[in-house]
This record gives sequence, C-alpha cells and structure tokens, in this order.
Amino acid sequence: DIQMTQSPSSLSASVGDRITITCRASQTISTYLNWYQQKPGKAPKLLISAASRLQRGVPSRFSGSGSGTDFTLTISSLQPEDFATYFCQQSYSTLLYTFGQGTKLDVK
Amino acid sequence: QVQLQESGPGLVKPSKTLSLTCSVSGGSVGGHYWSWIRQSPGNGLEWIGFIDYTGNTNVNPSLQSRVTISIDTSGNQFSLNLISATAADTAIYYCARRFYSESSGQNYFDFWGQGTLVTVSS
Repeated sequence: DIQMTQSPSSLSASVGDRITITCRASQTISTYLNWYQQKPGKAPKLLISAASRLQRGVPSRFSGSGSGTDFTLTISSLQPEDFATYFCQQSYSTLLYTFGQGTKLDVK
Repeated sequence: QVQLQESGPGLVKPSKTLSLTCSVSGGSVGGHYWSWIRQSPGNGLEWIGFIDYTGNTNVNPSLQSRVTISIDTSGNQFSLNLISATAADTAIYYCARRFYSESSGQNYFDFWGQGTLVTVSS
C-alpha cells in the first residue's frame, strides 16, 4: 500500500493568513496526487488534481505543488469559507487508492 | 452536471449484508469508472472499489473477500454489497465518479454523492 501522511493534523489560523499543508507519500507517485476539501456533513470536494491543477471554479488562492513523494497545498489568503478539513489522495496505484488522514483547519 | 445519490438501509445487523445503490443522473454510467468510498472516525477515508460500465471491477484487497460491486447500465446505477458486516463497517458511505484522462493517466474522484450513514448494530 502507498501510505499518505499529512501534516499537520490540525491547524488554527485567521482570515487573511497564508497556510500550507503537506502530504508525503511512502513511495514516489510522480504527480498523481489530488487534494479535496470537506466541510461538516458534506462530501469531499475536489480542489486540485495532478498535484497542481486547479479545478474549474476553485478560487486562485488555492495552489498545489510537488512531485515524487512530497506535496503541498497552499491557501494564500484564508477566507471564512476555507475553514474545513483537507485530504490528499494518491492516484498512482489504481489497484488501491489511499488518502491522507486529513488536516482540520479551524479559526484561531 | 453529474449527480450521484446513495440509497439503502441506515441500519444493518451484525453478520448481515450491507447493500447500497448509487443512482447517477445528469450523465451516463458509460465511459467512466464508479467508486465506493467510506469514511469513519477511526479509519478516515477508505476506498472500497470501483466498477466500469462493462462490469470490470477492482476492489480494495482488504475488503475483497466481502465486497461485490455491480452495475445496472439500463438503470444508470451501481451497487455495493458487503457481506458479514461488523461494527467496524459502520461509516458514511459515498459513491463517486472516477475521472480518468487517457492522455495523461491522471485520475481523480470528481463527482460525489452526499453520503449515507450506515450503522452496523443489533
């Protein structure tokens, strides 16, 4: 299995802050890395695919980078609607997709 | 806009079969892979498996002995059966579409159902 490890597991920040979440894969996955945002009671929503490709309709304050084993999700200036839980997911192994454990972003 | 909707019992007795159906609207099940994913407090997000419109499936090895995924192309829906359910199978179950780019090989879950909570308890 490809293990996905996110850090931090929780993060407190304020509106306007710049934040970065990291995701590390247990083996190289090229750029087969996706990021999702999940709000309470809702399904995950795809934000970024292929490590850095912003999905249509996702604000440009979100960005992703990385390749190989280390990846980051950055929000350049937090907005109130961004407080949520974020998950990374590897799509390199289509025989067994795996997700990170999640990073809960809340208001400081 | 593709929409997915899970349906099925919210309560399943231990040792019985957990059965869910995902109805797809706004698009055809043809040409894509369709997945089941579950989420529990202890295990986070866990991919269960997927099926394509021809019926080809791929299931998480940890669940392979208990899971069957099937598809009804005429009804535009697909289903999950998980036998011998235990309390550890209590989770929110999501169905999702897996998009696959033939040119790049990139793939991701782009459309999700709202999720349905299934509790395994007597």
